[in-house]
This record gives sequence, structure tokens and C-alpha cells, in this order.
Amino acid sequence: DVKVTQSSRYLVKRTGEKVFLECVQDMDHENMFWYRQDPGLGLRLIYFSYDVKMKEKGDIPEGYSVSREKKERFSLILESASTNQTSMYLCASSQGTGILSGANVLTFGAGSRLTVL
Amino acid sequence: TQLLEQSPQFLSIQEGENLTVYCNSSSVFSSLQWYRQEPGEGPVLLVTVVTGGEVKKLKRLTFQFGDARKDSSLHITAAQPGDTGLYLCAGGDYGQNFVFGPGTRLSVLP
Repeated sequence: DVKVTQSSRYLVKRTGEKVFLECVQDMDHENMFWYRQDPGLGLRLIYFSYDVKMKEKGDIPEGYSVSREKKERFSLILESASTNQTSMYLCASSQGTGILSGANVLTFGAGSRLTVL
Repeated sequence: TQLLEQSPQFLSIQEGENLTVYCNSSSVFSSLQWYRQEPGEGPVLLVTVVTGGEVKKLKRLTFQFGDARKDSSLHITAAQPGDTGLYLCAGGDYGQNFVFGPGTRLSVLP
């Protein structure tokens, strides 16, 4: 059963701490994405990557960075966590079969719920 | 900036009832996807529609993409408790990314 695995389901951190959220996919997908999900706001794209060592900013990249050293792994980094980064973080991957995004299917992980105190 | 709105935001119905939820935008999308998210899990794809006016059926679920490719609807016939969840629509941006709506939270009571 193919899947996207997020290493931490629940995290509690203090303001100013550095936070790593890890995501691994076993489908050999080209594209990987990090979203945050907040009630009433839906999913907002933080960063995405189309290839190893490649990254692009999404709609809300401020306060975040990412790393993709291997095709299967995409990490989200909060350099100095703040209380407004308390949220559910969702990682997703897709095959990326060309310009028609309708051909893409996003496969999501189960999510990482981060609380910053 | 492309935005998607979904209505209603919350819906609570009895088992066996029919319902329709809506996804609307002023923007044109290359495709429209519907996902369902259950508590503690990530969203799971239900359907992709790519052609204006397209209708797809998945058992008791009927999905329609508007003629102008700006809106979509999801109709559920004879809802069951297993249909409970957050329904998200996502519009394709003609690239590799999607814009998500805020979701409709459905509760089907037995």
C-alpha cells in the first residue's frame, strides 16, 4: 500500500525552538508539497518541490524553510517557532505528469499537529 | 489570487437524506478535485473533473463541473454515517498546484 508518512503526529514546542517536520513517500513521485490547515481557511500551500534540491515558495512561506536532499524525503523547518504557527501540517506528493494538473492526484500524509506554547 | 468558496460551511443531516454542497470561484480552473478528510487523517481524493459541464458518479455521490469551469457541486443521495467528514474542493491552476477551498464539514446522524 503506497503512502506518505509524516514522522510526528503530535508535537508540542516552545516559542523560539527550531522544529523539523519530516515527510517520506514511497511512490517515487516527482512533486512534494507542504500545506498547513486551519479551521475556516482550508489548506494553504507553504512550499513545494518538483525535484531533488529544488524548492519553490507557496502562498505562505514566511517563517518556514524546506529541504529536499533525496527524492523521497521533504522536510519542513521552522527556524524559530511562534504561537501563530500552531496548526495542522499536511505533506503531500504527486506524480507530476505534465502541465494538466487534472492528471495529478495528491496523496496526503496523516498530518502533524503542532502546538507552539 | 485564485480563491475557492464552499457552502455550506457546516451541514448536519439525518441518515437517508439527500444533500448538495457547492464550490464556487470567480476564477477559471484547469480541473476540479474533491477530497474527503476524516478526523485524524489526511484528505483522500474522491474524483477529478476536467471538462466544463462534466458529470461523474461514484456510487451515491454525483459530481458536476460548471460549464464555465469556475464552480462545482457534490450531491450525495441517501447519506450514510460513513459519509461524515470534511469535504474539500481543489482547483487546478494550469500548473502542478491546486487551490483549496475551506471545506464543508458534513455530519450524518444515524
